[in-house]
Amino acid sequence: ETAVFQTPNYHVTQVGNEVSFNCKQTLGHDTMYWYKQDSKKLLKIMFSYNNKQLIVNETVPRRFSPQSSDKAHLNLRIKSVEPEDSAVYLCASSSGTGYEQYFGPGTRLTVL
Amino acid sequence: GDSVTQTEGQVALSEEDFLTIHCNYSASGYPALFWYVQYPGEGPQFLFRASRDKEKGSSRGFEATYNKEATSFHLQKASVQESDSAVYYCALRGGDTNAYKVIFGKGTHLHVLP
Repeated sequence: ETAVFQTPNYHVTQVGNEVSFNCKQTLGHDTMYWYKQDSKKLLKIMFSYNNKQLIVNETVPRRFSPQSSDKAHLNLRIKSVEPEDSAVYLCASSSGTGYEQYFGPGTRLTVL
Repeated sequence: GDSVTQTEGQVALSEEDFLTIHCNYSASGYPALFWYVQYPGEGPQFLFRASRDKEKGSSRGFEATYNKEATSFHLQKASVQESDSAVYYCALRGGDTNAYKVIFGKGTHLHVLP
């Protein structure tokens, strides 16, 4: 099956903890993204990678760090989570400067 | 900078009603324009795109026409169904230095009543 896969589906944690989210795409794309979606369904891009190189790095707190081992994988680490980090984190991929983006189902993070 | 403005908030229709969700953009040149749909519990799905003036994109009965003069890309469907209830996003991909960045509108929640 070709798609964008994200793990975990849900994660509940305490303020100050570290969390990591994984994303893998089997579509053969060379560009991957992380988005944050808030409770009002607002989508905001955080990072974009092309062939393992960071291309877009929006103004996000320094506790967020993306990691790309190859062009099919893009992980997101949050060091010392804050309550405002509670959101759905969506991973997406596209072909080149593309065109359409294909999204994973998202990881819902709840920070208590 | 580049921006997208779409019908805000919620739109409630009955089945077989005509749908229009407005989308206007601000960007230089010819940005690529997209519509995405997000069903509950899923990530957004690409619907269609258009890249040049007067180009029409369409999918699953939805359509929109790129209008450079009006800087618009309004989503329309002739007869909505309950299964069309979802959040719809208009999006823009800028050119050159912004080519890797897609800007999404705030989303429009469509509720179709049976």
